[in-house]
Amino acid sequence: EAGVAQSPRYKIIEKRQSVAFWCNPISGHATLYWYQQILGQGPKLLIQFQNNGVVDDSQLPKDRFSAERLKGVDSTLKIQPAKLEDSAVYLCASSGLELEQFFGPGTRLTVL
Amino acid sequence: AQTVTQSQPEMSVQEAETVTLSCTYDTSESNYYLFWYKQPPSRQMILVIRQEAYKQQNATENRFSVNFQKAAKSFSLKISDSQLGDTAMYFCAFMAGNTPLVFGKGTRLSVIA
Repeated sequence: EAGVAQSPRYKIIEKRQSVAFWCNPISGHATLYWYQQILGQGPKLLIQFQNNGVVDDSQLPKDRFSAERLKGVDSTLKIQPAKLEDSAVYLCASSGLELEQFFGPGTRLTVL
Repeated sequence: AQTVTQSQPEMSVQEAETVTLSCTYDTSESNYYLFWYKQPPSRQMILVIRQEAYKQQNATENRFSVNFQKAAKSFSLKISDSQLGDTAMYFCAFMAGNTPLVFGKGTRLSVIA
């Protein structure tokens, strides 16, 4: 089966610019997660969707970050405006009935 | 809040030898799950092994096994017969109920030929 797809793989932007990441989960997986992984640290959950509803966005900086999953499949994560400290790898993961989360390859964001 | 601690930022092991990665966690939950994830240099995170807290038997997956000590809140990963392809970051993670995965900071493992 196809894995979790993410694009772009790499993105370099100037601070105060906006950026968007896209994720396509494994077919049939109802739950989708966005994580932020800063260099040298473990992933930190930003937002969790169950189908197209938000389950947990308590750690999402809502003044600049937004995410949506309109049709309960693909998802986009947006940052506007970006700050230097947003430089990180953004990981998307999905899960079905089992607990295991399957991760995508990530998007490496560099904010200059 | 749950926390996961990995006290070894970096480790190295000779090929074919055995290495153990440490993980401790803190929780007041009685029913939870523990995971070890591997993140090779290509950065795709994959699940290595998982343990349900209610199971007393330690999980095993081929060359990977865990030593789960519930009372001590310890969850170490043993890699036997280490291979060059085991070189990666290893993350210990915790989940209880519907709470999100909480990851440790990771251990960078290098397998040396």
